[in-house]
Amino acid sequence: GALVYQYPRRTICKSGTSMRMECQAVGFQATSVAWYRQSPQKTFELIALSTVNSAIKYEQNFTQEKFPISHPNLSFSSMTVLNAYLEDRGLYLCGASRGGNTGQLYFGEGSKLTVL
Amino acid sequence: QEKVQQSPESLIVPEGAMVSLNCSFSDSASQSIWWYQQHPGKGPKALISIFSNGNKKEGRLTVYLNRASLHVSLHIKDSQPSDSAVYLCAVSINYGNEKITFGAGTKLTIKP
Repeated sequence: GALVYQYPRRTICKSGTSMRMECQAVGFQATSVAWYRQSPQKTFELIALSTVNSAIKYEQNFTQEKFPISHPNLSFSSMTVLNAYLEDRGLYLCGASRGGNTGQLYFGEGSKLTVL
Repeated sequence: QEKVQQSPESLIVPEGAMVSLNCSFSDSASQSIWWYQQHPGKGPKALISIFSNGNKKEGRLTVYLNRASLHVSLHIKDSQPSDSAVYLCAVSINYGNEKITFGAGTKLTIKP
């Protein structure tokens, strides 16, 4: 079956430091990976959509300078939260698509970021 | 930019009750609509999808889509305590690459 692993599961970091999270697709080829943030305020925001061999598309309010993403192959993606502050707290989820525009994503369990 | 609104924010019902969850979206070019289930500490898991106007039934789940009113609903029949979770509505649009926008979710609690 299609599985997605994310690590670390949780990180506590000091304000102003950075956190890198990784996403591994197992059992299928992740033609695109969408990174989301689920915040304590209950929003579910799309950060960026990364498709192999295409430019990464960031949503409004999210930038490559703050959330650099790497998607080197069809099974792995990583994202870093640079210079994290309180407003960056939340559960970061990676959703991988098999392609075909079905609208279905396979999610990992998320990387929870706490900023002190 | 697609907006997805879900209601209610939370819902508590007794075991065995019928549950109805609502979702409205803003872009009529939306393609498929998915409902995801998210248990605490876990990532969302896709439950059921719909593309065409009308309804679709899978087991205890029925989803209704009305494209004219930009509204979709999920109904869970004979609810069980294990159905307690956050339910997320997700709308897919193809802007060259497929973009999937989520609502904030409805927290469902089924009381035994």
